Amino acid sequence: AQKVTQAQTEISVVEKEDVTLDCVYETRDTTYYLFWYKQPPSGELVFLIRRNSFDEQNEISGRYSWNFQKSTSSFNFTITASQVVDSAVYFCALIPTGTASKLTFGTGTRLQVTL
Amino acid sequence: DGGITQSPKYLFRKEGQNVTLSCEQNLNHDAMYWYRQDPGQGLRLIYYSQIVNDFQKGDIAEGYSVSREKKESFPLTVTSAQKNPTAFYLCASSQTGGIGNTIYFGEGSWLTVV
Repeated sequence: AQKVTQAQTEISVVEKEDVTLDCVYETRDTTYYLFWYKQPPSGELVFLIRRNSFDEQNEISGRYSWNFQKSTSSFNFTITASQVVDSAVYFCALIPTGTASKLTFGTGTRLQVTL
Repeated sequence: DGGITQSPKYLFRKEGQNVTLSCEQNLNHDAMYWYRQDPGQGLRLIYYSQIVNDFQKGDIAEGYSVSREKKESFPLTVTSAQKNPTAFYLCASSQTGGIGNTIYFGEGSWLTVV
């Protein structure tokens, strides 16, 4: 069985601080995909990134960056110079091979960015 | 605009009633999904459909039913058999049901039992 753990339930930072959201996953499959989604107060889940298990390169997109380390089964997400608009719940999710795109979600991390 | 449309946004149901949540997508995606979200928890899969006229149970299908008569539509019925239906429901779709496809979500529907 697969599992995604987001140990940080809630994080509060002041605007312009950097913040890292942790994600640890478990799967027996050698081929899998990892995702991050953002859920703002409106409720919609917004896709942020998809990473396959064969690609361990870190990725940067503007103020967002992702650190994928298979050795520690982690896929952490960093927001640089956080802004109030980053306030949301962030979910990490996993699709192992053979599960027909059935996402397994972590419980989410609520990020609160204040002025 | 392309996307996934869910309706209604808010729905109140009396105990013992069935209710149907609508989900329509114009992304020409083959696969569609229904997830349930409870406060402080991640999303859990209710049902999914990889192709028209076919669907499979997810992890928490009891008390729910779906149909997939058209590619763009995947309505979810919450039946009276669902013991704790108050939750936030999210519909989603992906290009196909194959591994690795990005799953895109609608804006969700809040269901409250009164």
